[in-house]
Amino acid sequence: ILNVEQSPQSLHVQEGDSTNFTCSFPSSNFYALHWYRWETAKSPEALFVMTLNGDEKKKGRISATLNTKEGYSYLYIKGSQPEDSATYLCAFLSNDYKLSFGAGTTVTVRA
Amino acid sequence: NAGVTQTPKFQVLKTGQSMTLQCAQDMNHEYMSWYRQDPGMGLRLIHYSVGAGITDQGEVPNGYNVSRSTTEDFPLRLLSAAPSQTSVYFCASSFQKFYNSPLHFGNGTRLTVT
Repeated sequence: ILNVEQSPQSLHVQEGDSTNFTCSFPSSNFYALHWYRWETAKSPEALFVMTLNGDEKKKGRISATLNTKEGYSYLYIKGSQPEDSATYLCAFLSNDYKLSFGAGTTVTVRA
Repeated sequence: NAGVTQTPKFQVLKTGQSMTLQCAQDMNHEYMSWYRQDPGMGLRLIHYSVGAGITDQGEVPNGYNVSRSTTEDFPLRLLSAAPSQTSVYFCASSFQKFYNSPLHFGNGTRLTVT
């Protein structure tokens, strides 16, 4: 069982504010790090797949960074909007093709 | 393009009954997997397959069987359902063993075992 931890478990953000949260994963046997967005009553949808140390990815107001040597990734939301409310999952892919998910960070954006 | 299709969407079983959750994808994905989602525990990998004829165990395989006879289908079998298997099950697939390709998820199956 691979230890993938996300913090905080939940956070509340005022509309227009920016926020960020963390995914920690094992620094050995690294293959890739995935980020997914999961809205209530829907299925998880991919945001980013990151493979190289120092990778930075951006999709609209959401961006992510990756540090494989120390085993963490940050997800940033700039200028949060109510439609950003969701649970954000990270997943660590080890070199035996097992993708292990963290428990997620639930973001609630208040209008 | 249908993507990943799971059936049924809902199912109620009695303890000891057996059933098969179906998963099919039409994207010619090599990799397919089954996860269960329980409150506070995120998604946990049950079984996965990197291609037709190849399957392997994930984090929580006990009580579940899988097979992969075709690229398109990856059914999950519960041989003797137990209340601990009450959960939401997601099938997911990916191209190229997702080294640089994300998972595509089905809509989930909500299973209740009484």
